[in-house]
Amino acid sequence: EVQPVESGGGLVQPGGSLRLSCTTSGFTFSNYAMSWVRQTPGKGLEWVSGVSGNGGSTYYADPVKGRFTISRDNSKNALYLQVKSLTADDTAAYYCARDREHCSGGNCPPRYFDLWGRGTLVTVSS
Amino acid sequence: EIVLTQSPATLSLSPGERATLSCRASQSVSSYLAWYQQKPGQAPRLLIYDASNRAAGIPARFSGSGSGTDFTLTISSLEPEDFAVYYCQQRSNWPITFGQGTRLEI
Repeated sequence: EVQPVESGGGLVQPGGSLRLSCTTSGFTFSNYAMSWVRQTPGKGLEWVSGVSGNGGSTYYADPVKGRFTISRDNSKNALYLQVKSLTADDTAAYYCARDREHCSGGNCPPRYFDLWGRGTLVTVSS
Repeated sequence: EIVLTQSPATLSLSPGERATLSCRASQSVSSYLAWYQQKPGQAPRLLIYDASNRAAGIPARFSGSGSGTDFTLTISSLEPEDFAVYYCQQRSNWPITFGQGTRLEI
């Protein structure tokens, strides 16, 4: 299994938008729920959003509901996070993380995370 | 939202000693708790899931215990590579939440 690779982070002004991407390989992507987890020095680790393996179910933390949208393209083994209306509180390293458990039906929610990317840094500042 | 409180914030020990880290949940999470290790500049690494099950490739010196609201991660004999930050995480209720971490230092 190869470590996922995130991209799309950068410096953005308050109120701005970004699209984060995560590409994976080495496993059957559609059989695993995926999540985005962010980390700041002050607030530690924070689960942000997750999606089932078949993309049919999505999950969000309250601070990002209505502003972030998670999606996946199983044909490309890719995970995305569209983020908008960004504030300084969204400044963090964003990790893509795979669920530990294989789910053959593709409809399992995120639970625990056993494969993480290196992260992409999002900085919200004017 | 379930709040996970880890203690102590920092634990200072020497190689060869036994480490005991605590995680307390604001309400019962049954056994749906995991532990992660994170070293500087690296992503977290899953150590323990469902309170007491070691993840693939994790050495036997790492063990987890507890249920309900009180959980413990024990490292039986510290190796130099074990000095890192440790986080607990629950998946019992949405949203998934993490503890604030315990720094294990030499």
